[in-house]
Parts: sequence; C-alpha cells; structure tokens
Amino acid sequence: AQSVTQLGSHVSVSEGALVLLRCNYSSSVPPYLFWYVQYPNQGLQLLLKYTSAATLVKGINGFEAEFKKSETSFHLTKPSAHMSDAAEYFCAVQKAGTALIFGKGTTLSVSS
Amino acid sequence: DAGVIQSPRHEVTEMGQEVTLRCKPISGHNSLFWYRQTMMRGLELLIYFNNNVPIDDSGMPEDRFSAKMPNASFSTLKIQPSEPRDSAVYFCASMDTHNSPLHFGNGTRLTVT
Repeated sequence: AQSVTQLGSHVSVSEGALVLLRCNYSSSVPPYLFWYVQYPNQGLQLLLKYTSAATLVKGINGFEAEFKKSETSFHLTKPSAHMSDAAEYFCAVQKAGTALIFGKGTTLSVSS
Repeated sequence: DAGVIQSPRHEVTEMGQEVTLRCKPISGHNSLFWYRQTMMRGLELLIYFNNNVPIDDSGMPEDRFSAKMPNASFSTLKIQPSEPRDSAVYFCASMDTHNSPLHFGNGTRLTVT
C-alpha cells in the first residue's frame, strides 16, 4: 500500500530563511509524487509534481523538491521564505491510474 | 475554465437530517474524487469515479454515506442520517487520467449539530 509521512505538523521560519518541509513515501512501485498548498478556506493547489523525468522538480512560487529514491524522500524547499508562503502544505503519492493519497499536512508559519 | 464547482460552500444541519453535497468537475476530466478533511485525520479519500463508474469506495466510512455520478458533469455525496462526527470539510476534485494534476474545488464545510 502507498502512503506518505510528513515529518512535523508545524514548521516556523523567519521571513527570508530557508523553508524545508519533509516528506517520506512508501510505495511498492515507482510512484508519482506531489506537493500541494492550501490557503485558508480554499481547496488544494498543485505546487509541483514528480513523474520520473527529473529528480529535482521546480514548482510555482520558488518552491522545489528533490526525489531521493535511496531515502524514499521528497522534501520541499524554498531558499527564502515570504510572508505569503504561510499556509498548509500536503505531500501526496499516486500509483498510475489510482487516487492520490495525502499526508497529514504541515502548517508553515512565517514571522517577520 | 471555471474550475471544480462545489455547492453549497457551507451547510449546517441537525443530527439525523439528510445532507447532499454537489460537485461539478472540470469539463473533459474523466476522474472525480471525494475527500474529507478533518483536523484529526487530515485528508481522507472517500471514493473516486473513473468515466462515471465508482472505482474505489473503500474510504466511505459507513453505509450512511453514498455517492453517485449520473453523468460526466455532476456528482453527489449524500449522508443519511447525518451525525455530529460527520462535521468536516468535504472536497471534490477532478482530473484527466492522462497525467494531469488533480484540481480541487473550494470545499463544502459541513457542520452537524
């Protein structure tokens, strides 16, 4: 069965600091991996996705994630946090043709 | 493109009442998903359809929950009878199975008192 584990339900950073949100996956076959962001009272929006083309994936708003098969990880990073990045972030895994399975989410707080 | 449209945005009902949530997927998308979001359990997949056919309903919590997709442009999630523990935000999402991302609606916030 596929699953994702997001380490840390809350992450706090200062504006301008590095953002690192951790995600580990388990899957019996090479998966598709995703990061989504959710702002208050809204649905989830796709940040980026990995589909085996390249291990370093660049997304919107300056975010990127690196697929590391040896570590079964897909951590999300951004070099410099902005106040507008404060939101909840979800990692998700998908086997081709099936539904996305989401992690529990990580709330990112950004202080000035 | 109007995106995935869910209605209502908010629903407050009393325990025991029937609740119907509605979803219009993005035109041309052939897969539709219902998720439930709570603080305790996060985002849970309830059911998903492919070409209007239910593929996996193992996430539907109880027989009180049912979902239908009578055509490619409409789906409903019904709870009958509703209970306070059903209070959550229910999301509908759609995608084209040919490697497109999943698009979410803005959700229906259900409160059962």
